[in-house]
Amino acid sequence: GNSVTQMEGPVTLSEEAFLTINCTYTATGYPSLFWYVQYPGEGLQLLLKATKADDKGSNKGFEATYRKETTSFHLEKGSVQVSDSAVYFCALRGGSNYKLTFGKGTLLTVNP
Amino acid sequence: DAGVIQSPRHEVTEMGQEVTLRCKPISGHDYLFWYRQTMMRGLELLIYFNNNVPIDDSGMPEDRFSAKMPNASFSTLKIQPSEPRDSAVYFCASSSSRTSGGGTDTQYFGPGTRLTVL
Repeated sequence: GNSVTQMEGPVTLSEEAFLTINCTYTATGYPSLFWYVQYPGEGLQLLLKATKADDKGSNKGFEATYRKETTSFHLEKGSVQVSDSAVYFCALRGGSNYKLTFGKGTLLTVNP
Repeated sequence: DAGVIQSPRHEVTEMGQEVTLRCKPISGHDYLFWYRQTMMRGLELLIYFNNNVPIDDSGMPEDRFSAKMPNASFSTLKIQPSEPRDSAVYFCASSSSRTSGGGTDTQYFGPGTRLTVL
């Protein structure tokens, strides 16, 4: 079945530091890949997505590239801000299956 | 536009009581999802509907859980009887098949209902 593995947190960074959150997946066929973000006390929001190999999703300074050869979709940001503090979830949707499979989430804390 | 609306935001109840969680999806969306989030198990899909019809309920943990969608603008998740291990945050999400990728690529989440069963 489909599965998503993302690096365990928590991750603590200083403002303006570089961020990487690793995500790898297992799926049959050609899944779509997503990063969702959950701010404290809120529901999840779509951050970015990629639907085919070598696609790069980007939003709000975050980027992730769909790497089929390494089955990875790592999230990166060049300079984090305090307002980026949240839980980040990697997810996939495989083929005709309409389910989203989520990773366990990574808590990011950015200190001023 | 209003997003996904869930009620109540917080629910505290005693073991054995019936609990009903409510969700109003975004108008025009034809998919609705119920998730449960706990520290131990992360985010789990319980059930999802398409055009008010349950499509996959394989994530519903037990017969104590049931979900209905009587119309396109309302869904309920009921737990009867509730147990302490049901304590979690329950999210409702909706999406539209008219988005790219045949639907469900972008799921819009509600703020969640935090359930505590004593």
